[in-house]
Amino acid sequence: AQTVTQSQPEMSVQEAETVTLSCTYDTSESDYYLFWYKQPPSRQMILVIRQEAYKQQNATENRFSVNFQKAAKSFSLKISDSQLGDAAMYFCAYRSPDTGANSKLTFGKGITLSVRP
Amino acid sequence: KAGVTQTPRYLIKTRGQQVTLSCSPISGHRSVSWYQQTPGQGLQFLFEYFSETQRNKGNFPGRFSGRQFSNSRSEMNVSTLELGDSALYLCASRTRSLNTEAFFGQGTRLTVV
Repeated sequence: AQTVTQSQPEMSVQEAETVTLSCTYDTSESDYYLFWYKQPPSRQMILVIRQEAYKQQNATENRFSVNFQKAAKSFSLKISDSQLGDAAMYFCAYRSPDTGANSKLTFGKGITLSVRP
Repeated sequence: KAGVTQTPRYLIKTRGQQVTLSCSPISGHRSVSWYQQTPGQGLQFLFEYFSETQRNKGNFPGRFSGRQFSNSRSEMNVSTLELGDSALYLCASRTRSLNTEAFFGQGTRLTVV
């Protein structure tokens, strides 16, 4: 079974600065998907960024980028130019390949990010 | 396009009762998954439905069940509620096409007293 570990329960960043959230995972599969979801106080999970394991290039979405190290099974999220609206809980998630078998996401415990003005 | 809609948003039930939660997926999405979120256990997968059939099930007791209708709307039911069932229940939908992501609803906050 796959596992996802987020070892830092909380982090804080100054507005306009850069912060990196860590995530490691364990799997025996060679192809899979990794995601970072954001959950603000409104509770709705919002997809921040995704990475396909077969792609060597790290994904980037505006101020958000990942550092995907497949051999090390590491998937960290970097938030540049942090904004007050980035304050939320962030979850790292894993999904098996699209074999049609399932859409199950395996989540880490999450990390609470606070942004200081 | 409307997002994933979950009803009700909040629910208070008494121990021993049963509850039904509803999820309307994004139009065109035929896969619906359910998750339970608690402070202690985090986000845990309950089950997934696709084309009215349960495709995958998490490690939850039989008191947790679900179904999906022909219009892809899904319901989950919890019978004989326990205090530990208090949680945020999240529903997610996706198209099941290759390489697509799941979109979540705002959840139903269930409190069992």
